Amino acid sequence: AQSVTQLGSHVSVSEGALVLLRCNYSSSVPPYLFWYVQYPNQGLQLLLKYTTGATLVKGINGFEAEFKKSETSFHLTKPSAHMSDAAEYFCSMNYGGATNKLIFGTGTLLAVQP
Amino acid sequence: GAVVSQHPSWVICKSGTSVKIECRSLDFQATTMFWYRQFPKQSLMLMATSNEGSKATYEQGVEKDKFLINHASLTLSTLTVTSAHPEDSSFYICSARDLLGPNNEQFFGPGTRLTVL
Repeated sequence: AQSVTQLGSHVSVSEGALVLLRCNYSSSVPPYLFWYVQYPNQGLQLLLKYTTGATLVKGINGFEAEFKKSETSFHLTKPSAHMSDAAEYFCSMNYGGATNKLIFGTGTLLAVQP
Repeated sequence: GAVVSQHPSWVICKSGTSVKIECRSLDFQATTMFWYRQFPKQSLMLMATSNEGSKATYEQGVEKDKFLINHASLTLSTLTVTSAHPEDSSFYICSARDLLGPNNEQFFGPGTRLTVL
């Protein structure tokens, strides 16, 4: 079965510290993977995506993620956290073939401490 | 580019009434739109896939007669929650796929907060 798992529903880091949000997937076909950010009472904003090609993907706001097939992972990182990074982050996978449905992980709430 | 709007952004209604939520792609055409539901502090759950000019495809467990979806044009899809009850209170988010863009990318609206009293 296809699924997306995010380890850690809450992550807290200090401002300036490394951000690491974990995402693992299960898929019978090569996946397209996405990271989205959601601020309170708002929709989702795409941070970055992996489809094919280079496995290290750079996104907006200094975030990047690396697709590791051998580990079935797509962890999101940022070298230095900023207060404005505090939000909910969702990892998702395209699983629907022609319909392009997305399946989402349960989300990780990132808190940034001053 | 690739902006999706939703209207209203929030709505409060009495139990038993129907509520219509609009999802519009403002600067692109979307043959496919998706409707999600998000409970507090939870992930998004796909409710249905809406295709322009055809019937929506509902996910398992979603009541078709309760959540009516209409996708009448390439820029507009509507979700009507019929005979709403307090358990329908939730955050509803739509997304749209650009007809001319990568077929793997969805653009999300800002969401609609529905509260049923």
